[in-house]
Parts: sequence; structure tokens; C-alpha cells
Amino acid sequence: AQSVSQHNHHVILSEAASLELGCNYSYGGTVNLFWYVQYPGQHLQLLLKYFSGDPLVKGIKGFEAEFIKSKFSFNLRKPSVQWSDTAEYFCASSTGNNRKLIWGLGTSLAVNP
Amino acid sequence: DGGITQSPKYLFRKEGQNVTLSCEQNLNHDAMYWYRQDPGQGLRLIYYSQIVNDFQKGDIAEGYSVSREKKESFPLTVTSAQKNPTAFYLCASSPGGADTQYFGPGTRLTVL
Repeated sequence: AQSVSQHNHHVILSEAASLELGCNYSYGGTVNLFWYVQYPGQHLQLLLKYFSGDPLVKGIKGFEAEFIKSKFSFNLRKPSVQWSDTAEYFCASSTGNNRKLIWGLGTSLAVNP
Repeated sequence: DGGITQSPKYLFRKEGQNVTLSCEQNLNHDAMYWYRQDPGQGLRLIYYSQIVNDFQKGDIAEGYSVSREKKESFPLTVTSAQKNPTAFYLCASSPGGADTQYFGPGTRLTVL
């Protein structure tokens, strides 16, 4: 069965540190990949997504992710985090035209000012 | 202002009672979804609907029921058969296919 795994459950960083959150998916065919973010007290919202084309995807608030097919990975990166990046981050995937998303368990990021 | 609304934000119920959570969208999206979010468990799909008058069970449908009589509405009923109903419930919608899902603010249900 298709699955998504996120490597880190809790990450604590200081402001200006670089961020990389790992995400691996299990499906070997065509996949669509997403990163969502849930800021404290706010809606879950889309950070970025990959369907096809350039494997380096840029999203909102300076985030980017790279799709590496050979590694089944879609890691999220940000060169310099801010306190306002404190949130929970979810990686998700879907296959082909399937409307169901498969979700990772999430990574809780705390950025200390 | 387009979006997804869920009501109420907080809901308390006594054991043995059924309760219905509301989800409305004015985005003209075909597909709608219900998820349950528990700490450390990510999002788990309860039910989803790709079109009016049609819906499918997700991964944890037992103890829940839904209806999709109108495109903009997808209410979720948490029945007394749900053994552990205390959770945060999220509703989402998407235009169709494998496109982005848009989420509502959620309803936190507590069973007393």
C-alpha cells in the first residue's frame, strides 16, 4: 500500500538556521506530492506541490522542495527560518488522478527567537 | 469571500449521543473530504465524496456517516458507535482530479 513517511517528528531550530524536513513516499509510479503547513490556530494550507516538470519546486514564504525520483523523496527546505515558521508540516502524496491523499504523520517545528 | 466553513468550532457531547458536524464550501469544488486529526497521527481520511449524491469510505469510516445532497455541503455525523470520537475534525474540498485540497478551520469535538 502507498505510504508517506516523515523522518522527524519534532524539530527545534534557532532563527536563521537552515531547515530540511525529510519526506519519502512508497509508490513507484507517477506521483503528485504536496507539503502542507498548519500554523498555530490556523487552517491547514498548501506550501507547495509537485505534479510534473522542474523537480525543484518553490512555494510560499521562501520554502522549496526537491523531487528526487531515484530516492522516492520530496524534502522541504528553507535556507533561513524565522520564528513565524513555527508550525506543523505535513507531506502528502497522491497517485495519478486519484483524489485521495496519503499523509505523513507530520513534523512539528519550533523556531526559537 | 470564497472558502470552507465548519461549524461549530468547539463541540461537546455526552457519550451515547450522535452529533453532526457542518461543512460548507462556496468554491464550486466537486470533491469534499472529512479527516480526523489526532496528535502524532497525522490526518486520517474518514469519508470523501467526488460528486453530489455519491461518497466513499476512507480509512476509518466506522462509527461515522455522511451525506452529499448538495454540492456545497458535506455534513459528517459522529454516531454513538464511534468508540473514540474525541478529536479534531477537518473538512476539505478540491476542484477535482488530484488537485490541491483546501481546508476548513476544523471542529474540535470532545465527548464527556
